[in-house]
Amino acid sequence: DTAVSQTPKYLVTQMGNDKSIKCEQNLGHDTMYWYKQDSKKFLKIMFSYNNKELIINETVPNRFSPKSPDKAHLNLHINSLELGDSAVYFCASSQVQGGLTGANVLTFGAGSRLTVL
Amino acid sequence: GENVEQHPSTLSVQEGDSAVIKCTYSDSASNYFPWYKQELGKGPQLIIDIRSNVGEKKDQRIAVTLNKTAKHFSLHITETQPEDSAVYFCAASKGYSSASKIIFGSGTRLSIRP
Repeated sequence: DTAVSQTPKYLVTQMGNDKSIKCEQNLGHDTMYWYKQDSKKFLKIMFSYNNKELIINETVPNRFSPKSPDKAHLNLHINSLELGDSAVYFCASSQVQGGLTGANVLTFGAGSRLTVL
Repeated sequence: GENVEQHPSTLSVQEGDSAVIKCTYSDSASNYFPWYKQELGKGPQLIIDIRSNVGEKKDQRIAVTLNKTAKHFSLHITETQPEDSAVYFCAASKGYSSASKIIFGSGTRLSIRP
């Protein structure tokens, strides 16, 4: 199946630990993203990469470090986890289309629910 | 930067009735306005989008309108069905490049009453 897949789906960990979430897309898209969705469902962009190059880096604590080994993969590593990091993290990908029929359609993964105790 | 406000936060309608969700944006340079539907336990999925050179777009029971002057855009769902129950997000973006941030509204939880 063509998709954006992220692992793990659920992650429960203690404060202070370090954890990683992995994302892979087989859609052939050039751009990948990490979004954070908090308990109120608010979706906020964190990072985007285009062909392994960091493009968008929002105001995110430097405990969060994305890594893109190739354009099909974008991983998120979080150091020294805090209670406020509890959220659902969504990976997404897109193939930007310019011109008069321009679009930037995001294809999201199913999300990784991180719970910090 | 861009700010997108969305109302209402929750909406309950009788099956068969229409539902309307409204959004406003702050950056007059924004030119792409997608709408996403998020079902329980899943990631958001695009259902319709509109560009700033178009005032209205329709796809079966779903329509979106855009008022650039007022910086408003709305989602209209007619003849609602139980499967329309989900969280809906409006969004706004400027330009069509990998550097274009898609900024989401706060979401509307739509419930369809049988």
